[in-house]
Amino acid sequence: GAVVSQHPSWVICKSGTSVKIECRSLDFQATTMFWYRQFPKQSLMLMATSNEGSKATYEQGVEKDKFLINHASLTLSTLTVTSAHPEDSSFYICSAIPRPGDQPQHFGDGTRLSIL
Amino acid sequence: QKEVEQNSGPLSVPEGAIASLNCTYSDRVSQSFFWYRQYSGKSPELIMSIYSNGDKEDGRFTAQLNKASQYVSLLIRDSQPSDSATYLCAVITGNQFYFGTGTSLTVIP
Repeated sequence: GAVVSQHPSWVICKSGTSVKIECRSLDFQATTMFWYRQFPKQSLMLMATSNEGSKATYEQGVEKDKFLINHASLTLSTLTVTSAHPEDSSFYICSAIPRPGDQPQHFGDGTRLSIL
Repeated sequence: QKEVEQNSGPLSVPEGAIASLNCTYSDRVSQSFFWYRQYSGKSPELIMSIYSNGDKEDGRFTAQLNKASQYVSLLIRDSQPSDSATYLCAVITGNQFYFGTGTSLTVIP
């Protein structure tokens, strides 16, 4: 149980385009989803926490206008990287929990984003 | 001070040996502790959780928690090359989930 699907798993696109990443909880309803970014050989960096039906809470230093998060349903959250540039290239991972404070987090398989 | 601290490694052990991974945390009221394994290019997968002082064993893995000293460790017995990965310690304090920076483990055949 507790399966989280992330799509796409890998995307390459040109600089200046916008990229949408989907995170779905397949067998449970996720009130809360998290978005992480991970650069090579570095740890996970929490970007934002999204709660269904409300605005996401962004971590310090993360541009909310660049990384748009939508959590419109209990099984789907999306992260849109707007006007992506090469420095946005990274491994993006989502995770989900049924309710705030639940444990542990259930991770998606990640999306490798490469901006040319 | 970071909420959760781990030695980044790399830690190298020969096949069949015991690998010992350590993690310290800063908040005394932290109540839940997890170890995740992350292979290169993959997302983390949960391998152990522990909530009370003492040892918890699951196959070749043993998690140890000492709340007085604010540390949690993971022992991997009979280490295998397939255990080579980065191991992330995670701590829950209130509703906040904190990850350590991870320890890279290499098991040498």
